[in-house]
Amino acid sequence: SAVISQKPSRDICQRGTSLTIQCQVDSQVTMMFWYRQQPGQSLTLIATANQGSEATYESGFVIDKFPISRPNLTFSTLTVSNMSPEDSSIYLCSVFSSGRSAYNEQFFGPGTRLTVL
Amino acid sequence: AQSVTQPDIHITVSEGASLELRCNYSYGATPYLFWYVQSPGQGLQLLLKYFSGDTLVQGIKGFEAEFKRSQSSFNLRKPSVHWSDAAEYFCASTSGTYKYIFGTGTRLKVLA
Repeated sequence: SAVISQKPSRDICQRGTSLTIQCQVDSQVTMMFWYRQQPGQSLTLIATANQGSEATYESGFVIDKFPISRPNLTFSTLTVSNMSPEDSSIYLCSVFSSGRSAYNEQFFGPGTRLTVL
Repeated sequence: AQSVTQPDIHITVSEGASLELRCNYSYGATPYLFWYVQSPGQGLQLLLKYFSGDTLVQGIKGFEAEFKRSQSSFNLRKPSVHWSDAAEYFCASTSGTYKYIFGTGTRLKVLA
């Protein structure tokens, strides 16, 4: 199993500012994933964070808005830039128990609840 | 395109009653299917998963799910609900990669 922690757990931010969310895993993993869970919506994959290379973004998400860092095999950050109220969501990071196959269990962090005023 | 539908946004049941949460998927081949539970302030926890084989899958916390190809469904069931089961439940699918498609979730309320 993998234990994932996220900081902050929640924040209230002003429009136009940026917030950096941290994700720490208790074991080394090759890939870390960032999801967004908008109110009343399903989880949507934002990007895949690879150690030693650029993150891979899903359709509709861009690096300028959601820059990601992956300095080592246990840590990643997601920044939500130039925030607007539409960015109010829960942001979650996740990892697979091993590899990236669907055969393996995906573990999720507790999430960061962001409110943008 | 692959999709997952959870028709029920909210469900309320009495403690001790049986539970069924619905999930329908849209995918040409047999997908990999999952049920996750999210308690307030917690991350998602895997309840059970289906890849192939026996269509009735047993999970943790007394949950089970049945894969029905003819109905494109993967409904979650529990014979007797406990108050601690109150949470949000997500069905998810993948074609075999790390890219999961999640349903919109069903929020379960349990009456004492």
